[in-house]
Amino acid sequence: SQTIHQWPATLVQPVGSPLSLECTVEGTSNPNLYWYRQAAGRGLQLLFYSVGIGQISSEVPQNLSASRPQDRQFILSSKKLLLSDSGFYLCACQSGQAVYNEQFFGPGTRLTVL
Amino acid sequence: AQSVTQLGSHVSVSEGALVLLRCNYSSSVPPYLFWYVQYPNQGLQLLLKYTTGATLVKGINGFEAEFKKSETSFHLTKPSAHMSDAAEYFCAVSSRGTSYGKLTFGQGTILTVHP
Repeated sequence: SQTIHQWPATLVQPVGSPLSLECTVEGTSNPNLYWYRQAAGRGLQLLFYSVGIGQISSEVPQNLSASRPQDRQFILSSKKLLLSDSGFYLCACQSGQAVYNEQFFGPGTRLTVL
Repeated sequence: AQSVTQLGSHVSVSEGALVLLRCNYSSSVPPYLFWYVQYPNQGLQLLLKYTTGATLVKGINGFEAEFKKSETSFHLTKPSAHMSDAAEYFCAVSSRGTSYGKLTFGQGTILTVHP
């Protein structure tokens, strides 16, 4: 089955600084990839998804961007962080054609913006 | 648009007691339904899912859920709680249409199990 790696595990950044979070996937090819953000008491919000290299769809307008330079690599970025960007960021992948196939989640990155 | 409502942000039970976590969804057509569990500072793990067929679905760790179309519900149950069940639980839905597997999550329910 798939294994998802995320780094860093934790990050503390000042407001206005740039951000780069990385997610890599093992054990599958051509997966759908997703970035979710989990804010305290607010569940998980889908930020971006990608069905292939270079194909990014944004779900909500925000201060973040995503890129998929390789089949199993998904990057979340920001040029200038806001306080509201703090949260727990989760990368997920889904393989196969069926839309009901399980999504596997990475261990997450906890971002604190001060 | 789909939405998911989990009734009760916190549920507390005694060890050995019944666990009932409630989930209702709103969707124009019955979606695919999922329950995930999250332990502190970790990612999510799939407990079970409903796609089609039998409406009572059994998952890992003794959990099960029943899809009730008339009630638009997918409540999660476990007959006897164990201390290791303490975690946050998320109900999620995915459209049967062209959705690229995107999940819409509920707000989550934190389950506390006390001795």
